[in-house]
Amino acid sequence: NAGVMQNPRHLVRRRGQEARLRCSPMKGHSHVYWYRQLPEEGLKFMVYLQKENIIDESGMPKERFSAEFPKEGPSILRIQQVVRGDSAAYFCASSPGTELSQPQHFGDGTRLSIL
Amino acid sequence: SQQGEEDPQALSIQEGENATMNCSYKTSINNLQWYRQNSGRGLVHLILIRSNEREKHSGRLRVTLDTSKKSSSLLITASRAADTASYFCATDADTYQAGTALIFGKGTTLSVSS
Repeated sequence: NAGVMQNPRHLVRRRGQEARLRCSPMKGHSHVYWYRQLPEEGLKFMVYLQKENIIDESGMPKERFSAEFPKEGPSILRIQQVVRGDSAAYFCASSPGTELSQPQHFGDGTRLSIL
Repeated sequence: SQQGEEDPQALSIQEGENATMNCSYKTSINNLQWYRQNSGRGLVHLILIRSNEREKHSGRLRVTLDTSKKSSSLLITASRAADTASYFCATDADTYQAGTALIFGKGTTLSVSS
């Protein structure tokens, strides 16, 4: 399966713990996007990265949230000191990023539950 | 802010019937995309229509785009039970840059019963 891979599929954390979500883009894709989806809602953009660079983080909360896409390895979305409101499905998407107007390819998401 | 707004929020039809979903948006776009999401899964890209296109077909899907009204419609013909899913329209956030975030609506939940 050469699609976007996210892990874990489900993650349970207690309030105050850290959550790390991983995303491996499709082969050949250098652009990664993270979105958050609350129940019965559409996806909300969080952050857009290229290898070793954050391009747009306008949708990501300034505190507790961070993202990276290192030269080697998957993209990581990190949430520190999680709170109940962080419970959501987090989706990663990737695109080749070489042309305007390209579809994004999504992973199956990580469902984060905060106890 | 919400860019795309789908209508209706929920739609229930019988197999074989056609399903039409509408999407309205607020600002200029380069393209508009439709995605499907099955329960518990990620989004699957269905079709992309560029701002200079008015209609596009893909199998049983037909998408129209009216930039003067800032609206789009997705028609699924001869629906099947497997079409049961949520459908989202999405527009690009930045009209000048390749590789840009998408802005999604809240989606239409389609139920097709056999």
